[in-house]
Amino acid sequence: ETVLTQSPGTLSLSPGERASLSCRASQNVGNNYLAWYQQIPGQAPRLLIYAASNRATGVADRFSGSGSGADFTLTISRLEPEDSAVYYCQQYGNTPTLTFGGGTKVQIK
Amino acid sequence: EVQLVESGGGLVQPGRSLRVSCTASGITFRYNTMNWVRQAPGKGLEWVGFIRGEAYGDTSEYAASVEGRFTISKDDSKTIAYLQMNSLKIEDTAIYYCTTVGGHNWHYYFDSWGQGTLVTVSS
Repeated sequence: ETVLTQSPGTLSLSPGERASLSCRASQNVGNNYLAWYQQIPGQAPRLLIYAASNRATGVADRFSGSGSGADFTLTISRLEPEDSAVYYCQQYGNTPTLTFGGGTKVQIK
Repeated sequence: EVQLVESGGGLVQPGRSLRVSCTASGITFRYNTMNWVRQAPGKGLEWVGFIRGEAYGDTSEYAASVEGRFTISKDDSKTIAYLQMNSLKIEDTAIYYCTTVGGHNWHYYFDSWGQGTLVTVSS
């Protein structure tokens, strides 16, 4: 099973700042099949990024994904108040178990 | 627009069974893989399992933590996916989300999500 470790656990930034969230895998993720999700408190998760760097339909372009192998990053270029949420990565390149990271909480000051 | 609506959650005793449902609209249901993800209170996300669409013979796969206890099925005529949960344990307490998938066989990410249904296992 591929274990995903997200860091930091919590990120506290001001509106307009740049956020960088890390997701590290215990082994290379096949084909860089790595997705990112946003979960606002009280809501279901929402897909942001798939295949490491492809934005899902309707996702604002201030969200971008990068990385390869075992090291991936979600960047939010200019934070807005509505970006306050928990962000999860998920790998789907190494089967049979599809796994999620533990999440990074982004707080907007 | 894809809509997924879960139902059937509730309080159940350890060792008992419960079936939750996911009613889908806005997709060609018979060809879609339907998936379940759960989230224990205050915790992260955990993949539960999926059932493939008609082209893959409606076969299903499960996480090790639920293999042998949970079964996913679907009724294409009603566009409903089911999660049958047997021999429930306290640690199965969670919000259960139904999702559709993107990607290809086994290599799935989760592109549309329902609002979830809460299952509480307690005596």
